Amino acid sequence: QLVLTQSPSASASLGASVKLTCTLSSGHSSYAIAWHQQQPEKGPRYLMKLNSDGSHSKGDGIPDRFSGSSSGAERYLTISSLQSEDEADYYCQTWGTGIHWVFGGGTKLTVL
Amino acid sequence: QVQLQESGPGLVKPSGTLSLTCAVSGGSISSSNWWSWVRQPPGKGLEWIGEIYHSGSTNYNPSLKSRVTISVDKSKNQFSLKLSSVTAADTAVYYCARVGADCDWGQGTLVTVSS
Repeated sequence: QLVLTQSPSASASLGASVKLTCTLSSGHSSYAIAWHQQQPEKGPRYLMKLNSDGSHSKGDGIPDRFSGSSSGAERYLTISSLQSEDEADYYCQTWGTGIHWVFGGGTKLTVL
Repeated sequence: QVQLQESGPGLVKPSGTLSLTCAVSGGSISSSNWWSWVRQPPGKGLEWIGEIYHSGSTNYNPSLKSRVTISVDKSKNQFSLKLSSVTAADTAVYYCARVGADCDWGQGTLVTVSS
């Protein structure tokens, strides 16, 4: 079964960097994912598509501070030079059969 | 960048049918994209409901398939969601989205199921 696992929460200081992790279930380590950001009381915003080789394509207007990388079944979202507006929920999502969009549970990022 | 705007009743009675429309602007619904619906119960994560292509081809979440219908109106550049036999568990913010090489989201609309 295709499952995406994310830590429920993460925190980092203003101006620092943070690396969020999304883990693909066994047998699905070659899958690409997408990262979406949801700021408080707002709709989601597409950040990027991230392939298993670490290559990624970002959405329009996404700052260079956001980058993606991959290792095995893990997909990462790194945010550098953290700003207050980066405080948000971050969801990873992949494409399955049956359920075409599979979402992780989301990581709530707190900027200290 | 495509803009999407959801609209529809904010309150639906139990056992009734939830009906929402997503108006697309800044692009054509006949372009090479899938048009999706996703929902988010209060305080919870995202759940994919289903999608439609401009040809009318659809895919639905198996857990909702018996109750969901998604349709497209090319003349109005919009697509719609109908969810029947709703219960309180269907209370959520409903989002529409464009899915292609990248993705655009609507701002969402809260639908509450209550008598």
